[in-house]
Amino acid sequence: DAEITQSPRHKITETGRQVTLACHQTWNHNNMFWYRQDLGHGLRLIHYSYGVQDTNKGEVSDGYSVSRSNTEDLPLTLESAASSQTSVYFCASSESGRNYGYTFGSGTRLTVV
Amino acid sequence: AQTVTQSQPEMSVQEAETVTLSCTYDTSENNYYLFWYKQPPSRQMILVIRQEAYKQQNATENRFSVNFQKAAKSFSLKISDSQLGDTAMYFCAFTTDMNRDDKIIFGKGTRLHILP
Repeated sequence: DAEITQSPRHKITETGRQVTLACHQTWNHNNMFWYRQDLGHGLRLIHYSYGVQDTNKGEVSDGYSVSRSNTEDLPLTLESAASSQTSVYFCASSESGRNYGYTFGSGTRLTVV
Repeated sequence: AQTVTQSQPEMSVQEAETVTLSCTYDTSENNYYLFWYKQPPSRQMILVIRQEAYKQQNATENRFSVNFQKAAKSFSLKISDSQLGDTAMYFCAFTTDMNRDDKIIFGKGTRLHILP
């Protein structure tokens, strides 16, 4: 069965370190998205991609980067982790133009100490 | 700006009761899609129901139904015969684009507790 997987499920890192969160989908979806979830804020869009070599900034992109070298993967990198980036991160994918909603990964809880 | 507002941060109801979660949104678009997502304690995001704005008929999925009022820009979720497994955070969301831009805008969520 097709799926979207995120790893790790939990991570603790230190302030200033570079961190990469993985997202891998086997739905063959062109669209992939990264959100962060914080209490009182809901889900906020960090970065998104519509296909290989395409990346775009979302509303809270500062301090984050992504790259899309193939259809299946959209890793999210925190360049220099800050305590304000402690959050739950969700990766999602969707089929272009169908508006059926996202398929979500199970999330990564990141703690920056 | 396109926004989604969920005015009830938290709600509690007794098992077997009916509960309605409120959602309003703001957009100048005419064609859009609305969603309700459920996030149980497992953290997994689950699509509960989807509504196409150009369809007047309210979407239903088993015990879940919506009251879609396009003119009022309101999209409430009704859960009938609530069950303990309905305890979760519920997010209202929408996307306005028909083409490749599938960005979804989420509300801040309503935490629902079903009490035994």
